[in-house]
This record gives sequence, C-alpha cells and structure tokens, in this order.
Amino acid sequence: DVKVTQSSRYLVKRTGEKVFLECVQDMDHENMFWYRQDPGLGLRLIYFSYDVKMKEKGDIPEGYSVSREKKERFSLILESASTNQTSMYLCASSLRGIAYEQYFGPGTRLTVT
Amino acid sequence: AQKVTQAQTEISVVEKEDVTLDCVYETRDTTYYLFWYKQPPSGELVFLIRRNSFDEQNEISGRYSWNFQKSTSSFNFTITASQVVDSAVYFCALSEFVAGTASKLTFGTGTRLQVTL
Repeated sequence: DVKVTQSSRYLVKRTGEKVFLECVQDMDHENMFWYRQDPGLGLRLIYFSYDVKMKEKGDIPEGYSVSREKKERFSLILESASTNQTSMYLCASSLRGIAYEQYFGPGTRLTVT
Repeated sequence: AQKVTQAQTEISVVEKEDVTLDCVYETRDTTYYLFWYKQPPSGELVFLIRRNSFDEQNEISGRYSWNFQKSTSSFNFTITASQVVDSAVYFCALSEFVAGTASKLTFGTGTRLQVTL
C-alpha cells in the first residue's frame, strides 16, 4: 500500500514564525504536491515537484516555498507565517503522467495565531 | 485553463435513497483523465475512480456508478441505496500535463453528502 505521511496532524504557530511541514512517501513516486484546503474553496495547489530538486509553482504559491532534496521527501515552508495561512495542508504523491491518481497524506491542520 | 465545477455544495438524503453528484469540466486537451475522490470525516482523501477521455463506458462498482459524457463535459457519480458511511465530501478532479511528463490535478470545490437514518 502507498503510504504518504505528514509530520504533524495539528500545529499551532505564532505570526511571523518560520514553519516547516514535512511529507514523506514510500512508493518511489516522481511527483509530489502540496495543497491547502479551505471551506468552500476545495483543494488549491501551492507547489509541486516532478523530480528531486525540481519545483513548480501551483495556483497559490505566494507566501510559501518548498524543498525536495530527496525523492521521498517534500517540504513546505512558510517563511513568515501569517493568520491567513491558517488552513488544512495536504500532501500528495503520484507516478509521472496524467493517468495516475494521487495518494494523499492525512493532512496537517495549521493554526497561526 | 482547466476548470472543474461541482455546483452542488451540500446534499442531504435519507438512507437508502439514490443520490447523484454532478461534475462538469472544461479543458482544451484531447487526452485527459477524470477522477473522483472521497474525503470522509477523518480527513484523508481516498481515490475512487479514474476515467480517460477516450472511454465513455459507464462504470459500476457495487453501489457506486459513474456516467461520463464527453458531449456535455460531465462525469457524474451516483450512489445507489445510500448508507450513513457514504457521508463525506466528494471531489471531482481533472488531470493535465504541465511540464514534460509531469502532471497535476485540478479539483472541484467538492460536494458534501450527508446521509441520515
């Protein structure tokens, strides 16, 4: 079974803090993704990566950065957290190509106070 | 740009009723894939089905069925004889190539289904 794990289920941070969200997958998938999920807005893509050290901006990259130093690990970084980044963050991975489904982690609910 | 529309925000049904979740998409690609995901109250998205743009056959899996109609750009999902365990948020998604062979999904905003006794 594909397993995507995220470092925390719940996280509370203060405004201005640097926040790291970690995601690890164990199925040797090339693609990895970070989404945020907000009520009424569905899933919005923040960044994705299709190879080690490669990254592409998604639909809402402002205020975020990412790092992919190893194939299995994809990190989302909030350089200076703000209250409007309070959200559910979902990580996903997939094989390369449009035919393949994405496998999702359990999510991290981040609250910025 | 690709777009997926799930016009039904919330649906409430009584157990054993049939329910259809609508999904309409927009794309200029001739080759694409459509997906349905389920997000139960626990929060983790679960893949349900994939359909490619060249296969318009309906799909049935137990109480679940999917109707893909290219002519109306729709990929609707029907649950027959709904059960309380079907209560969840359901997302429709469309895939696209973005760079080389890399791909991403565009999701609809989801439909929350509430099944009560």
